[in-house]
Amino acid sequence: NAGVTQTPKFQVLKTGQSMTLQCAQDMNHNSMYWYRQDPGMGLRLIYYSASEGTTDKGEVPNGYNVSRLNKREFSLRLESAAPSQTSVYFCASSYQINTEAFFGQGTRLTVV
Amino acid sequence: DAKTTQPPSMDCAEGRAANLPCNHSTISGNEYVYWYRQIHSQGPQYIIHGLKNNETNEMASLIITEDRKSSTLILPHATLRDTAVYYCIVRPQDTNAGKSTFGDGTTLTVKP
Repeated sequence: NAGVTQTPKFQVLKTGQSMTLQCAQDMNHNSMYWYRQDPGMGLRLIYYSASEGTTDKGEVPNGYNVSRLNKREFSLRLESAAPSQTSVYFCASSYQINTEAFFGQGTRLTVV
Repeated sequence: DAKTTQPPSMDCAEGRAANLPCNHSTISGNEYVYWYRQIHSQGPQYIIHGLKNNETNEMASLIITEDRKSSTLILPHATLRDTAVYYCIVRPQDTNAGKSTFGDGTTLTVKP
């Protein structure tokens, strides 16, 4: 079992470029999440998907879109990257919305 | 969601018990207390959770006060590898309340 896998691990974008962060889990979990973590700060929830076919906004959704492609995959898209989106992005999954979450190793994104 | 308050930092001697406090005075009856930790540059790791009874697993013990307004995570024999940021999170039990946010946590430094 790989757990939660995020790709890519590192990415540098120019302002205005778009990209999609990929996340896949092999634990048959129903719920998935995207967080961002800025230097020296805690995690902030961007979007989550309680179950396949549903997505909801978290604390900081502006500038992002998500797609729950299937039960395994939950992608995060930046349509027009801004320097303020420079951060480490973590994907997580849990069996249900209220059970313990398992995290990926993160994607380090720099927008210049 | 109930908010949590943790001390920003704590030190602990290697081999000693580390006791990390968390205040969650506005917790409601259906909210669980979860603890995670994040070792530098890695994704957060689930440690333990509980509702009202004390809990123990291979990693730690969780002591929740009778009024549920505070809790303590205990690492019984801290090692240098336990140096990390520890997050106390209160999450609702209801499946349609999936928004939860990590705060700043407590930076635990285990010293030789």
